[in-house]
Amino acid sequence: GENVEQHPSTLSVQEGDSAVIKCTYSDSASNYFPWYKQELGKRPQLIIDIRSNVGEKKDQRIAVTLNKTAKHFSLHITETQPEDSAVYFCAASKGGILTGGGNKLTFGTGTQLKVEL
Amino acid sequence: DSGVTQTPKHLITATGQRVTLRCSPRSGDLSVYWYQQSLDQGLQFLIQYYNGEERAKGNILERFSAQQFPDLHSELNLSSLELGDSALYFCASSVGGQGNTGELFFGEGSRLTVL
Repeated sequence: GENVEQHPSTLSVQEGDSAVIKCTYSDSASNYFPWYKQELGKRPQLIIDIRSNVGEKKDQRIAVTLNKTAKHFSLHITETQPEDSAVYFCAASKGGILTGGGNKLTFGTGTQLKVEL
Repeated sequence: DSGVTQTPKHLITATGQRVTLRCSPRSGDLSVYWYQQSLDQGLQFLIQYYNGEERAKGNILERFSAQQFPDLHSELNLSSLELGDSALYFCASSVGGQGNTGELFFGEGSRLTVL
């Protein structure tokens, strides 16, 4: 099955700096790559996603890049703010595929981002 | 609000007991997924249902079982509970099938504490 690795496990940045979180996946059939932000005790919330037919996607201060050949994707947060502090999870799935557990998300192990004043 | 409803929000029970967690998916979603998140851990996939049928199984213990009913709500049954079963249990839903875009919508979770 799919295996998603995520690095780093913890990341501390100064307010205003950029943060980058990297993930690799193993199943070349995966075609959907979301990023979730989770605050302590709360549900994971989707912040951005990318599909395999796109190399980069941006939404204000957040961007995601995908390299299908290398099977890795990254989250970039610019101009970080204290409210960006949370755990971030990357994930992968085979969206739209019925068999073999398609659509289920396999998550990375998470990155604890701390934005310091 | 994701539209996914989970009950109960909190549950405290003793070792050896059995509990049932309930999930109502978003209106129109056919797929339901259960994930377990232990303290400071990631999201571990347990099981997926699509339109009443089991579609995929992850690292789900034999003491755990689930089902999806004709009205599409799902229940996760945890029996012979152990201390290590204490965790946040999330339910998520999606459209499912070939029309699925991939996005999962998560409920607020059920926090289970086993004493």
